[in-house]
Amino acid sequence: GQNIDQPTEMTATEGAIVQINCTYQTSGFNGLFWYQQHAGEAPTFLSYNVLDGLEEKGRFSSFLSRSKGYSYLLLKELQMKDSASYLCAVIGGSQGNLIFGKGTKLSVKP
Amino acid sequence: GAVVSQHPSWVICKSGTSVKIECRSLDFQATTMFWYRQFPKQSLMLMATSNEGSKATYEQGVEKDKFLINHASLTLSTLTVTSAHPEDSSFYICSARGGFSGGPAETQYFGPGTRLLVL
Repeated sequence: GQNIDQPTEMTATEGAIVQINCTYQTSGFNGLFWYQQHAGEAPTFLSYNVLDGLEEKGRFSSFLSRSKGYSYLLLKELQMKDSASYLCAVIGGSQGNLIFGKGTKLSVKP
Repeated sequence: GAVVSQHPSWVICKSGTSVKIECRSLDFQATTMFWYRQFPKQSLMLMATSNEGSKATYEQGVEKDKFLINHASLTLSTLTVTSAHPEDSSFYICSARGGFSGGPAETQYFGPGTRLLVL
């Protein structure tokens, strides 16, 4: 079967650093995505990892360990606008479709 | 780049009517488009995958006769909810994947979504 786990909710303080973890079990693996979704809006692409290691893009970084079936999204210098749901997704379907986790709702407080 | 539009953004309709939602890739050719549904506080659920010029592949439990998908060109896919009922009220989101060179080829770019309310 295919399964993606991530925490349901997290809270952090403005200016701080937060790490959102994601573990996955899939029959195949062709890459892992992180998307940001603000309430009532569609997801926007943040990052893509297919090889082990850390990918850095501005304040956001994403890490992948294929042997452990594990990824994390690291957000630095948190801003209020970072309050959103963060979706971990793996390419796993027969059509190359994304399989999404349930998302982690991040609340950034002053 | 990699802009996907959806129209309409909001639909309110009476039970029994049909609703058509359009999904367009504006600056790239989308060889594959995906249709998702999202209920409040839940994750995205894939409904179907469509490749240009071929029949859509539906996920288990999704009625293909109720949710008609057409992918007539590399920039347009449509989802028609036939004989809509209140339980079909949801947030419908499309995504497109194609030859956009600005990101990994496997990246899906999402439209802004369509809120459907069936009375």
